[in-house]
Amino acid sequence: ETGVTQSPTHLIKTRGQQVTLRCSSQSGHNTVSWYQQALGQGPQFIFQYYREEENGRGNFPPRFSGLQFPNYSSELNVNALELDDSALYLCASSRSGGFQETQYFGPGTRLLVL
Amino acid sequence: LAKTTQPISMDSYEGQEVNITCSHNNIATNDYITWYQQFPSQGPRFIIQGYKTKVTNEVASLFIPADRKSSTLSLPRVSLSDTAVYYCLVGDNNNNDMRFGAGTRLTVKP
Repeated sequence: ETGVTQSPTHLIKTRGQQVTLRCSSQSGHNTVSWYQQALGQGPQFIFQYYREEENGRGNFPPRFSGLQFPNYSSELNVNALELDDSALYLCASSRSGGFQETQYFGPGTRLLVL
Repeated sequence: LAKTTQPISMDSYEGQEVNITCSHNNIATNDYITWYQQFPSQGPRFIIQGYKTKVTNEVASLFIPADRKSSTLSLPRVSLSDTAVYYCLVGDNNNNDMRFGAGTRLTVKP
């Protein structure tokens, strides 16, 4: 167990809807990163938040947005859902940003868009 | 960010040593090499990280040759529970973009 929790575990939405996924980071960690993992592929970096500020973003459109709260928990919001957004969404917390810091992943939220 | 290349899959048997090699020809001077393990329906889990030569921890060893253009993750005496996908990543602390490739799917057979 990493101490990183995500909710909900599973979610079904329809195309065009909006979704909010939540992540609670490990105690003492101030950085949260979000990833999208399609079936059979490796995780793809969406963005990272460090001390409530966005600290890097991958190749995802603006309809993917996020927040980090003062307690360092985080939300991922996806607007105007598309079928291709169906995936496992992972969050990972770390002591700080940067490649050398070990990232501790949560179990993920599996999103299905119909 | 340096691109990494790994075998798509590998098979092994219980009790054997498994070596998974990752190529990263364009690795930069400040880059580190990190390996993660992922079981189905779980998030990746950190295994080991290194910069050069050899690093060993309680679960694996990481061998990095002098030119650092490749690295080898060594898992001693694998068991069925080591069946997972293994990812090799390369980057430096200016990168917060963890680039996971497709990984290597290791299947351990009885």
